[in-house]
Amino acid sequence: NAGVTQTPKFRVLKTGQSMTLLCAQDMNHEYMYWYRQDPGMGLRLIHYSVGEGTTAKGEVPDGYNVSRLKKQNFLLGLESAAPSQTSVYFCASSSGLASGELFFGEGSRLTVL
Amino acid sequence: QKEVEQDPGPLSVPEGAIVSLNCTYSNSAFQYFMWYRQYSRKGPELLMYTYSSGNKEDGRFTAQVDKSSKYISLFIRDSQPSDSATYLCASMRVMDSNYQLIWGAGTKLIIKP
Repeated sequence: NAGVTQTPKFRVLKTGQSMTLLCAQDMNHEYMYWYRQDPGMGLRLIHYSVGEGTTAKGEVPDGYNVSRLKKQNFLLGLESAAPSQTSVYFCASSSGLASGELFFGEGSRLTVL
Repeated sequence: QKEVEQDPGPLSVPEGAIVSLNCTYSNSAFQYFMWYRQYSRKGPELLMYTYSSGNKEDGRFTAQVDKSSKYISLFIRDSQPSDSATYLCASMRVMDSNYQLIWGAGTKLIIKP
């Protein structure tokens, strides 16, 4: 009963380094999302996908790239990390865009020094 | 001005009290309203989903939407220490078949035994 799994859960990077966050879901959902959560800001959508092979920009896409090569996986990449990207990143999935029910992973805490 | 506003709290109440959590939104295009609960270091999980103005009840939880005043409330009866969490409200609008979900920053709730 895994649901949405994110790896890694914690990571510390130096400015300019790159990394990839992996999200995997086992609910056969078409839609997947990457959010960042910062104090006082609420959840902000970075990128999302409406199906295998598709991606689209969200509210705050700059500095991030994504890929959805397989339906169950959604990868978030940071090519050149900046301190402003220090945040908690959440992956979520849903059965449809109209569904208000998103299933979230437990989050990945990223610190950029 | 944020499109969805919540008081960040923390709101601290004794066990057994009735809790009232509130949210306001600015855009009348919002049609769907949700409350998510987020425990510390976990991802959010859907608690309540409503479409129209009025009340929706689920056990100890009641969601209330007043579209005329753009006000969303969540009431928790007989509050328990296990209800201690951050509560996020979210509103969704549909524009040109595009569903956009906007999140409040969350209210931290503490139930004292």
